[in-house]
Amino acid sequence: GENVEQHPSTLSVQEGDSAVIKCTYSDSASNYFPWYKQELGKRPQLIIDIRSNVGEKKDQRIAVTLNKTAKHFSLHITETQPEDSAVYFCAASPGNQFYFGTGTSLTVIP
Amino acid sequence: ETGVTQSPTHLIKTRGQQVTLRCSSQSGHNTVSWYQQALGQGPQFIFQYYREEENGRGNFPPRFSGLQFPNYSSELNVNALELDDSALYLCASSLAPVGPNEQFFGPGTRLTVL
Repeated sequence: GENVEQHPSTLSVQEGDSAVIKCTYSDSASNYFPWYKQELGKRPQLIIDIRSNVGEKKDQRIAVTLNKTAKHFSLHITETQPEDSAVYFCAASPGNQFYFGTGTSLTVIP
Repeated sequence: ETGVTQSPTHLIKTRGQQVTLRCSSQSGHNTVSWYQQALGQGPQFIFQYYREEENGRGNFPPRFSGLQFPNYSSELNVNALELDDSALYLCASSLAPVGPNEQFFGPGTRLTVL
């Protein structure tokens, strides 16, 4: 089955700096790559996603890049704000199920 | 608000007991997936239901079973509870079982097994 690895497990940045989270996957059949933000005690919320026919997607301060050849994808958050502090999960989907990474705890220091 | 609801919010059980968790999918969604999220980990896929049939299963033993009803709501049943079953159980609904479809998560049920 699919195996998703996510790095780093924790990340601290100063407010206004950029944050980058990287994920790799193993199943070449995966064609959908969502990113979720989960605040403490809350449900995961989709923040951005990318499909396999696209290399990059941007939504305001958030962007995702996908390299299908290398089987890796990354989340980029620019101009970070304290409210960006949360746990972020990447996922890969080869069809009817999502395989999640182990999460990155992002702390934005004011 | 995504529209996916789960009940109960919290549950405490003892080893060996059985538990049933419930999920109501978002309006118009016919597919429900269940995930187990242990503390500090990412969600792990348990199984998915599409039009009342199981449509894929993760690496979980048979004591984890489920149902989907004609209105697309779903239940997760866990028999012979073990301490390691303590986790947040999330359900997610989507428009279809295959293809790149966003999954909308419910708030989860926190299960504690003593």
